[in-house]
Amino acid sequence: SQQGEEDPQALSIQEGENATMNCSYKTSINNLQWYRQNSGRGLVHLILIRSNEREKHSGRLRVTLDTSKKSSSLLITASRAADTASYFCATDRGMDMRFGAGTRLTVKP
Amino acid sequence: EAEVAQSPRYKITEKSQAVAFWCDPISGHATLYWYRQILGQGPELLVQFQDESVVDDSQLPKDRFSAERLKGVDSTLKIQPAELGDSAMYLCASSLTKNSPLHFGNGTRLTVT
Repeated sequence: SQQGEEDPQALSIQEGENATMNCSYKTSINNLQWYRQNSGRGLVHLILIRSNEREKHSGRLRVTLDTSKKSSSLLITASRAADTASYFCATDRGMDMRFGAGTRLTVKP
Repeated sequence: EAEVAQSPRYKITEKSQAVAFWCDPISGHATLYWYRQILGQGPELLVQFQDESVVDDSQLPKDRFSAERLKGVDSTLKIQPAELGDSAMYLCASSLTKNSPLHFGNGTRLTVT
């Protein structure tokens, strides 16, 4: 069974715009991670935010975590065509890692 | 940068046949995961190993699926007999510890006809 739910399921934007994806989950977590997947490939880890953190940055990525609402968001600033991919949140509950259904991001040049 | 190796990259098999997938994790990674990903969905955990021991196989259909990691290094996932509904991408991942980020292989795309 999957733990997280991403919203929206699909997002299409122009190059240079910002992209925001949201993730909601159901149970308490140790940390939440975001991954990226290009078509037909494995997932690549982007960023990890611990349950006691509220915001984290990595390059053009900004992640927020609200444990009271059991939700997280991933912001990609100044998007590029190469950012086109599926993005997944994954919740670490201490004993396993569960993924959501993902957001399919398309960045048009 | 070290990678998780998976083979084969693609596999086509007829239903009721046996099929096996192999995964070689990054050296030193104690935790190994097998995930199944149906097209358009997120990865679903099948089995998780800590060294050679299974720590979670609650979602593994044990009547037809088996997984082993005999020496705590590489791992094999087997399906016997394969069914049409098993068509999916099978992803292997490893991590240094069970709370560390996962490193994924490029998967095995299985098609059952």
